[in-house]
Amino acid sequence: QKEVEQDPGPLSVPEGAIVSLNCTYSNSAFQYFMWYRQYSRKGPELLMYTYSSGNKEDGRFTAQVDKSSKYISLFIRDSQPSDSATYLCAMTYGQNFVFGPGTRLSVLP
Amino acid sequence: SQTIHQWPATLVQPVGSPLSLECTVEGTSNPNLYWYRQAAGRGLQLLFYSVGIGQISSEVPQNLSASRPQDRQFILSSKKLLLSDSGFYLCAWTLRANEKLFFGSGTQLSVL
Repeated sequence: QKEVEQDPGPLSVPEGAIVSLNCTYSNSAFQYFMWYRQYSRKGPELLMYTYSSGNKEDGRFTAQVDKSSKYISLFIRDSQPSDSATYLCAMTYGQNFVFGPGTRLSVLP
Repeated sequence: SQTIHQWPATLVQPVGSPLSLECTVEGTSNPNLYWYRQAAGRGLQLLFYSVGIGQISSEVPQNLSASRPQDRQFILSSKKLLLSDSGFYLCAWTLRANEKLFFGSGTQLSVL
């Protein structure tokens, strides 16, 4: 079993749709959780950083953490073509950062 | 504010040639520094991390090496590149354990 799994696979949605991206993890030592957006041939950009179970909202983005189920989600409301990118989940304990493989999102105008 | 600089953005090198990628962080002191490699369509692979000058931890045995000659400078090197070294290389920093991790803009390396 991989340490961090991410779904869905490549995703195409119409402009304005609500997007749900998800990661599951197996190591209960992970305490801090992040979501990154990565445009093609660019470095990942930090979108959300959370610690507690529950929801954290920032503009059109909501990060959700459920530590009991070892499950995190990123919701994007009113998706825009500029949201088209690869989204990476990440989690950390101590010096260690572990990343999901990423979900490629395409928002069609 | 803190910024991270990584260069070059693109590099094409022949097999067997040396490599030197440089990363510097501005606006902070004693950051933890990381080198990752991202192969096409795959996740991020941690190569090296450093918690201080001269302190390097290697995660993957390979023909790459890293050095930290100054507090905010991290260098990735190779004496002889292999075809398999092609990929997207990312430098990253964090202030301390469990803090936010910030990435540089990346270097696309093609070994031909």
